[in-house]
Amino acid sequence: EVQLVESGGGLVQPGGSLRLSCAASGFTFSTSEMNWVRQAPGKGLEWVSYVSSSGRTIYYADSVKGRFTISRDNAKNSLYLQMNSLRADDTAVYYCARAEYSDYTYVKYFDYWGQGTLVTVSS
Amino acid sequence: DIQMTQSPSSLSASVGDRVTITCRASQSISSHVNWYQQKPGKAPNLLIYAASSLQSGAPSRFSGSGSGTDFTLTISSLQPEDFAIYYCQQSFSTPLLTFGGGTKVEIK
Repeated sequence: EVQLVESGGGLVQPGGSLRLSCAASGFTFSTSEMNWVRQAPGKGLEWVSYVSSSGRTIYYADSVKGRFTISRDNAKNSLYLQMNSLRADDTAVYYCARAEYSDYTYVKYFDYWGQGTLVTVSS
Repeated sequence: DIQMTQSPSSLSASVGDRVTITCRASQSISSHVNWYQQKPGKAPNLLIYAASSLQSGAPSRFSGSGSGTDFTLTISSLQPEDFAIYYCQQSFSTPLLTFGGGTKVEIK
């Protein structure tokens, strides 16, 4: 059974830092592309960051670029998100999600998601 | 950035109704659209990928159609467990993916 389990969320003051983790099991993590997606309370979904299977290719949404760092440890089947200089508008549930691609048309989609971890930025 | 505009933002329907949700892209994105269902307090769940392919395990009453800029998610006969929020997502501009604003399906 595929499982993605996030941890590391909590309450942090503006300007503070937090490191999220996502533990993967039930699939070959080292060959999977991974993402972080967040959802502010009562709002929609926002893609945050992407990391290739090797960890060498990384992308960020403009809203977090320069403040967040995605990484992975394939030996530990784990994905991370280091969040620095946190702001109130970073308050959200953060999900890790695996990317997959359709046959022939090569359309990317997120087939497995974790349960999410809540990050609250407040003084 | 490619914008995804979903409509309606909410709807009320009865069990057994046929429900249609639309998503319009700000530019042509071929078939690079996926649909997710999200229930309160839960993670999104993939229903349809590549515009019209049913994800394994998703009920057959869900279907997707469209290409270019206009896409549709249809629930052929609404069931009690289908009351949720539905999101479209474009992956044409991967890895910079964007979601629609969501459609909340409520009980009439």
